[in-house]
Amino acid sequence: DAMVIQNPRYQVTQFGKPVTLSCSQTLNHNVMYWYQQKSSQAPKLLFHYYDKDFNNEADTPDNFQSRRPNTSFCFLDIRSPGLGDAAMYLCATSRYSGETQYFGPGTRLLVL
Amino acid sequence: SQQGEEDPQALSIQEGENATMNCSYKTSINNLQWYRQNSGRGLVHLILIRSNEREKHSGRLRVTLDTSKKSSSLLITASRAADTASYFCATEDNFGNEKLTFGTGTRLTIIP
Repeated sequence: DAMVIQNPRYQVTQFGKPVTLSCSQTLNHNVMYWYQQKSSQAPKLLFHYYDKDFNNEADTPDNFQSRRPNTSFCFLDIRSPGLGDAAMYLCATSRYSGETQYFGPGTRLLVL
Repeated sequence: SQQGEEDPQALSIQEGENATMNCSYKTSINNLQWYRQNSGRGLVHLILIRSNEREKHSGRLRVTLDTSKKSSSLLITASRAADTASYFCATEDNFGNEKLTFGTGTRLTIIP
């Protein structure tokens, strides 16, 4: 089945230790998104790619970076995780901007 | 902020009853979408309604959109225990910024 896959599902890292979260899709969608969701809050968009074009949200901290080496894969790099970065990180895709988004199961990040 | 607000924040009903959730937003939109999120999981798309539509149905779901009031409602009829989840509305504005903005969510609990 076509889907959005996120690995790992749970990630534990230490304060200040770089961590990379990965997302892959078999939908061949043009757009890939990364959201941060904290407990009982709405998903907050960090950035998105339309093909190779990177779009960063104005309030996304510099600590967060992203890479999209090809259509299928997108990575979220957190260069120096702080305690406040502990959250669920959701990857989503859509065929075109503004259309239905298909979400992966998320990666829950714990920072010790 | 374009972020929508959902009302109520939490709703508990008996199985078999109907559940209604409301969403308000602030700016002109191209479309409004509803998503469901089970605890600790990714979001699942439920329905998309475009700005020129007033009502849409999908199975036990009924969505209305009133662009003059900048509001939408999601009705789930004949609720089931499996409907227990958080429900988010998300809007695509017509400013061309290629993203969805999520509301604050309604936590729905169906009591068996």
